[in-house]
Amino acid sequence: GENVEQHPSTLSVQEGDSAVIKCTYSDSASNYFPWYKQELGKGPQLIIDIRSNVGEKKDQRIAVTLNKTAKHFSLHITETQPEDSAVYFCAASMGYSGGGADGLTFGKGTHLIIQP
Amino acid sequence: SAVISQKPSRDICQRGTSLTIQCQVDSQVTMMFWYRQQPGQSLTLIATANQGSEATYESGFVIDKFPISRPNLTFSTLTVSNMSPEDSSIYLCSAGSGLGNEQFFGPGTRLTVL
Repeated sequence: GENVEQHPSTLSVQEGDSAVIKCTYSDSASNYFPWYKQELGKGPQLIIDIRSNVGEKKDQRIAVTLNKTAKHFSLHITETQPEDSAVYFCAASMGYSGGGADGLTFGKGTHLIIQP
Repeated sequence: SAVISQKPSRDICQRGTSLTIQCQVDSQVTMMFWYRQQPGQSLTLIATANQGSEATYESGFVIDKFPISRPNLTFSTLTVSNMSPEDSSIYLCSAGSGLGNEQFFGPGTRLTVL
């Protein structure tokens, strides 16, 4: 089955600086890669995703890049703010399987700390 | 995006008992899933809740321990049976519309087994 590795486990950055979280996956059949933000006591919130036919996607301060050859994708957050502090999870799936979305395999998470 | 609610939000249960967790989506969705998140850990897929047929379980999870119902396109339940302290976790429901691959999560049910 799919295996997703995520690094680092903890990332501390100064407010206003950029943060980068990296993930690798093992199954070349995976073609959908979402990123979730989870705040304490809440469910994961989808913040951005990318599909295998796209190399990069951006939404305001957040961007995701995908290298299918290397089986590697990354989350980039620019101009970090205190409210960006949370645990971030990457995930991978086979994507749309005819009947709908497939189950996700998650990385172990990155605790992002924004220092004021 | 779909809005998902879960009940109960938390519970403390005795060893050997069972708990049924409900998941309600505010719109019809093709796919619903159940995940487990142990304290401070990542999420692990338990099963896909299929409407009108049996759930599809991931390796390490069995129907006798985690029976799932999906009576319609907006509702599902997960039962944690014959609980032990090792079942103490957050149980999360998610839903996918099928229009893309996006999955949206509920707030989770925090279960503590004594």
